[in-house]
Amino acid sequence: LAKTTQPISMDSYEGQEVNITCSHNNIATNDYITWYQQFPSQGPRFIIQGYKTKVTNEVASLFIPADRKSSTLSLPRVSLSDTAVYYCLVGDVGSGNTGKLIFGQGTTLQVKP
Amino acid sequence: DAGVTQSPTHLIKTRGQQVTLRCSPISGHKSVSWYQQVLGQGPQFIFQYYEKEERGRGNFPDRFSARQFPNYSSELNVNALLLGDSALYLCASRKTGTGATMGQFFGPGTRLTVL
Repeated sequence: LAKTTQPISMDSYEGQEVNITCSHNNIATNDYITWYQQFPSQGPRFIIQGYKTKVTNEVASLFIPADRKSSTLSLPRVSLSDTAVYYCLVGDVGSGNTGKLIFGQGTTLQVKP
Repeated sequence: DAGVTQSPTHLIKTRGQQVTLRCSPISGHKSVSWYQQVLGQGPQFIFQYYEKEERGRGNFPDRFSARQFPNYSSELNVNALLLGDSALYLCASRKTGTGATMGQFFGPGTRLTVL
């Protein structure tokens, strides 16, 4: 499973766009990139997943360059409720007998008023 | 559809005791994984079960065991509890097979406190 590196913490203000970048230099061909959000004392919540180029859903966008060695989670117009820890994970999710996720320390995003 | 459910939500035990935590996956999900999250750290993988068989095990002692039932629900057992076992225990399920490109879905966790 590919190791990921992301900033420990980030600060932002309400209404701003936040971009969190994750490095995964050893990503394998079958690996997907997945981002989770976690609030205190709750389980992580799936945000977005992608393999290449750009993926967008109702809460975020995920940008993946052609070499796939990094990815950027983009949160548009953050609010105070987006204050949370964000985890970037890389792994093969297409096989029935793999399901191990390796979480790093994540990025603690603090949104200020 | 209901999400992943876990019980109990909170639990207090003393050192040396045994504990059983329960998890019900999302309907249609056959894979269940367990994670331990100590305060201030990311979740650490303990076990993964798929089709009632253990498919992965993290770096945890034999005091930790788990099983998956025919209805795909799962139990995590921890024997001879230590103070260091105090943590949030998370269960996650995911769909497998065709279309299984979505991530894992986590339950709210069980907060275990060992005194």
